[in-house]
Amino acid sequence: KAGVTQTPRYLIKTRGQQVTLSCSPISGHRSVSWYQQTPGQGLQFLFEYFSETQRNKGNFPGRFSGRQFSNSRSEMNVSTLELGDSALYLCASSKQSSSYEQYFGPGTRLTVT
Amino acid sequence: DQQVKQNSPSLSVQEGRISILNCDYTNSMFDYFLWYKKYPAEGPTFLISISSIKDKNEDGRFTVFLNKSAKHLSLHIVPSQPGDSAVYFCAATSGTYKYIFGTGTRLKVLA
Repeated sequence: KAGVTQTPRYLIKTRGQQVTLSCSPISGHRSVSWYQQTPGQGLQFLFEYFSETQRNKGNFPGRFSGRQFSNSRSEMNVSTLELGDSALYLCASSKQSSSYEQYFGPGTRLTVT
Repeated sequence: DQQVKQNSPSLSVQEGRISILNCDYTNSMFDYFLWYKKYPAEGPTFLISISSIKDKNEDGRFTVFLNKSAKHLSLHIVPSQPGDSAVYFCAATSGTYKYIFGTGTRLKVLA
């Protein structure tokens, strides 16, 4: 069974640009959550999607947005990039929105210069 | 406000000995706790979890203890192996589909 896949794995952007990250969940999983990991901050929750609906949102500015498609694949968009957005962005999937076990992808390393 | 704290950023343990990783939380509404292990260049991997109605859960070499009155949980690894060297994250949730993670503890098991 294939795991969670994220593309691209590495990305370099400049300040002011926008970026779109993609996540394909495990087959049969309908919930996708996004996290930002930075040194010293651990994993910070961005948002969760279930059946194409955003179920929960973390404390991030509106520059961070996401969506989920009917096949459960999800995209995350960051507009007007700032240097502080440099981080590892992780996507996790689970079968149900209330499922406590999430399975993470390898992440996308975003560097903003 | 860091609701889930891992106060030890790193820990070194000799192979075969016990590794104890600690995690403190502040929100009494949390009712489920999880531990994840993360190797470099990989996403976190689910390790073990515990519900707030229990005070201990065991899975092979891994045991998680929950002390609700102290708002503290710990992960015990016995015996520790070099392959256990990784960053360990604890996480908590209150069933609102939002997970709060700690900042991680880097465990190094010395051969």
